[in-house]
Amino acid sequence: GEDVEQSLFLSVREGDSSVINCTYTDSSSTYLYWYKQEPGAGLQLLTYIFSNMDMKQDQRLTVLLNKKDKHLSLRIADTQTGDSAIYFCAESMKGGGNKLTFGTGTQLKVEL
Amino acid sequence: SQTIHQWPATLVQPVGSPLSLECTVEGTSNPNLYWYRQAAGRGLQLLFYSVGIGQISSEVPQNLSASRPQDRQFILSSKKLLLSDSGFYLCAWRELAGKETQYFGPGTRLLVL
Repeated sequence: GEDVEQSLFLSVREGDSSVINCTYTDSSSTYLYWYKQEPGAGLQLLTYIFSNMDMKQDQRLTVLLNKKDKHLSLRIADTQTGDSAIYFCAESMKGGGNKLTFGTGTQLKVEL
Repeated sequence: SQTIHQWPATLVQPVGSPLSLECTVEGTSNPNLYWYRQAAGRGLQLLFYSVGIGQISSEVPQNLSASRPQDRQFILSSKKLLLSDSGFYLCAWRELAGKETQYFGPGTRLLVL
């Protein structure tokens, strides 16, 4: 089955690191994604990781994938107020239009 | 570079009225196209996807329909809107031969009164 879960809220102080977690259930996922949604806007692709990778780093973003536990995380270093948004993880599967299954989203609030 | 457009940005419609939301993609050919709805509870629900002109797959039974009259145009419609159709509608595209990444449009906020 397809089910992607995230915690609903995360609050951090500016300058700290944020870690947003995601668990998924479909072991056949090929790519896993992190999207960012600012208020009233569409989803912006932040980064993605191929399922045969353990880690991917892109500037302040680090993605960790534990395929055995079906656990994905996004670490944002030196979190800024502009990072306040909803973060969605998503998994894709082959076939059937290559659909994405999204998590419920984590609301990140960055406090001064 | 590729861009995706949606219009209108915001729409307020009475119950029972028709609906037409448009999505167009520039800078790519033969993309997969997707319509999602994001209700107040935040989660994204895939409504329709299309792998080519005239090819529409529906994910959930509902009051809406989709059409793809041209390669880079995807339309979401309803003959009679319900209150429950309110939400934020997002269109997305994906290159057929590329990675499986989907890129999203700016969205249309629909309020049915």
